[in-house]
Amino acid sequence: AQSVTQLDSQVPVFEEAPVELRCNYSSSVSVYLFWYVQYPNQGLQLLLKYLSGSTLVKGINGFEAEFNKSQTSFHLRKPSVHISDTAEYFCAVSETNFGNEKLTFGTGTRLTIIP
Amino acid sequence: NAGVTQTPKFRVLKTGQSMTLLCAQDMNHEYMYWYRQDPGMGLRLIHYSVGEGTTAKGEVPDGYNVSRLKKQNFLLGLESAAPSQTSVYFCASSYAGQGARYGYTFGSGTRLTVV
Repeated sequence: AQSVTQLDSQVPVFEEAPVELRCNYSSSVSVYLFWYVQYPNQGLQLLLKYLSGSTLVKGINGFEAEFNKSQTSFHLRKPSVHISDTAEYFCAVSETNFGNEKLTFGTGTRLTIIP
Repeated sequence: NAGVTQTPKFRVLKTGQSMTLLCAQDMNHEYMYWYRQDPGMGLRLIHYSVGEGTTAKGEVPDGYNVSRLKKQNFLLGLESAAPSQTSVYFCASSYAGQGARYGYTFGSGTRLTVV
């Protein structure tokens, strides 16, 4: 069975500073990886995804993530954060096997931007 | 294009009462899902459906029932609400056949409080 670990439940960062949100996964088969963002009182929006190919994936709002198969990680990064990036971020994994596409989510990381 | 619509957005129930949450999607998606979100626990899958007339159990199905009589609608029922079911409920949908590959579309959530 697949699983996702987000070790940091809360990350405070000063505005315009860089940020990295960590995500590690576990699976016995190949996977697809995702980052979703949830702004206050809203549903989840897809930020970026890794399906195959280049291990560096770029998403919306200047975010990017790097897939590292040997370390089973998919960390999310942004070189300079803004107040509007305040949100909760969820890493998710799905096995690539047809018929087993359910997403498993991590527990989330709350990103707080300090002015 | 409304995407995924959840009704109601808020509800307060007394212990033992029943209710139904409605999820409607207009994207002709085959797969639909119900998740619950609790602080520090991320999103956990309650039930899902891979097509009209089908349903399956997820990670935390106890105390819930679902029905998918029409392709566009996925209903989540609580027969006898308990305080442990106080949560935010999210519905999501996706394309069939490696649906997670394309990501899920989420509704804006239903905040349920059981007193």
